[in-house]
Amino acid sequence: GAVVSQHPSWVICKSGTSVKIECRSLDFQATTMFWYRQFPKQSLMLMATSNEGSKATYEQGVEKDKFLINHASLTLSTLTVTSAHPEDSSFYICSANGGRDSNQPQHFGDGTRLSIL
Amino acid sequence: AQKITQTQPGMFVQEKEAVTLDCTYDTSDPSYGLFWYKQPSSGEMIFLIYQGSYDQQNATEGRYSLNFQKARKSANLVISASQLGDSAMYFCAMREGGGSARQLTFGSGTQLTVLP
Repeated sequence: GAVVSQHPSWVICKSGTSVKIECRSLDFQATTMFWYRQFPKQSLMLMATSNEGSKATYEQGVEKDKFLINHASLTLSTLTVTSAHPEDSSFYICSANGGRDSNQPQHFGDGTRLSIL
Repeated sequence: AQKITQTQPGMFVQEKEAVTLDCTYDTSDPSYGLFWYKQPSSGEMIFLIYQGSYDQQNATEGRYSLNFQKARKSANLVISASQLGDSAMYFCAMREGGGSARQLTFGSGTQLTVLP
């Protein structure tokens, strides 16, 4: 089945550091990938839609200069949290559609736990 | 208005019994898909079952079935013969419109605990 790989699984770094998270579709091509953020005990909140070869579409309230998204190939999207601060600490998870049909689920990476000290 | 509503923040079920997790949705789009995902404490999102708005029959996948009541806009997940490994957060989600390139909207989730 469709597999999405997300790396790294967890990051602990100092305030002010920029952190890059990778999301790869391993056995299929994904023209669209999605980035979500999840706080403890809460639901997934869509941050942005990553489109291969074009600019990402950000949800209202998400700072595009803070959360840089690059989707340079059909199998890789990256999220860079620039100058991260403690309030950026969260669980970030990406997903990609498994196929063109409407009944295809989104396949998720295993997520990245980001802790900013 | 909430597009996906899950009214049960937490549920308990005895091992080997069946449990129903509620989900109601709101959309004016005639074409939509409903999904259920399981999220264990480790964080990964596991796809369980899908129901399309035009599907005539309720979806089933092993011990999972979806009780789809279109007129009532509900898509409840039924887990039969609960196992300890079923303890997790469960999310109902909807994708509006045809095709797969649209985003999913998630409900707030239900934390299921299976008791031995």
